[in-house]
Amino acid sequence: DAGITQSPRYKITETGRQVTLMCHQTWSHSYMFWYRQDLGHGLRLIYYSAAADITDKGEVPDGYVVSRSKTENFPLTLESATRSQTSVYFCASSAEKASGNYEQYFGPGTRLTVT
Amino acid sequence: QKEVEQNSGPLSVPEGAIASLNCTYSDRGSQSFFWYRQYSGKSPELIMFIYSNGDKEDGRFTAQLNKASQYVSLLIRDSQPSDSATYLCAVRNAGKSTFGDGTTLTVKP
Repeated sequence: DAGITQSPRYKITETGRQVTLMCHQTWSHSYMFWYRQDLGHGLRLIYYSAAADITDKGEVPDGYVVSRSKTENFPLTLESATRSQTSVYFCASSAEKASGNYEQYFGPGTRLTVT
Repeated sequence: QKEVEQNSGPLSVPEGAIASLNCTYSDRGSQSFFWYRQYSGKSPELIMFIYSNGDKEDGRFTAQLNKASQYVSLLIRDSQPSDSATYLCAVRNAGKSTFGDGTTLTVKP
């Protein structure tokens, strides 16, 4: 049971380069999320998706692009990486229950350094 | 004012004691409330969720929710050194969750 995976786990890139972080889940969860976590801070939502082809902005979307053509994948692209985007990125997923309540489960994270 | 606020911490308790972690939120439309544990360098792990006012117990953990006061707490009984971690409070409304900055708990043997 793979659950939710992220790749790469570690990435170093240069300012101005495009970077794509991958997220894959095997539970067929409808919701998927991207968060960033900076040292000493909680998780901040970048983008989320309620289903394939449905995405919405979170708290800090600027500089990021997402797509969701398949339920199981939710890639996050940094179009032109900046040093301020150095962070740990977590992908999460959750099921939509009939009650409207759900719990999020997180991937292992990608540590991104922009030099 | 942050949407979700937690004790700034760090919180230190002796082994076997009760650890009390608190969280307040500003959105009255919030529907679901979660506690995650995060060990250093690891991803958040869901430990408790609560949707209705009152207490919910799971082993050594008890979550308490008071929607009128916009307050949710986590009690850890018989604290163990393995409970030492950062605890994140999360509040959900309309499909997305907002997280607090976390409270770091240290349980001293």
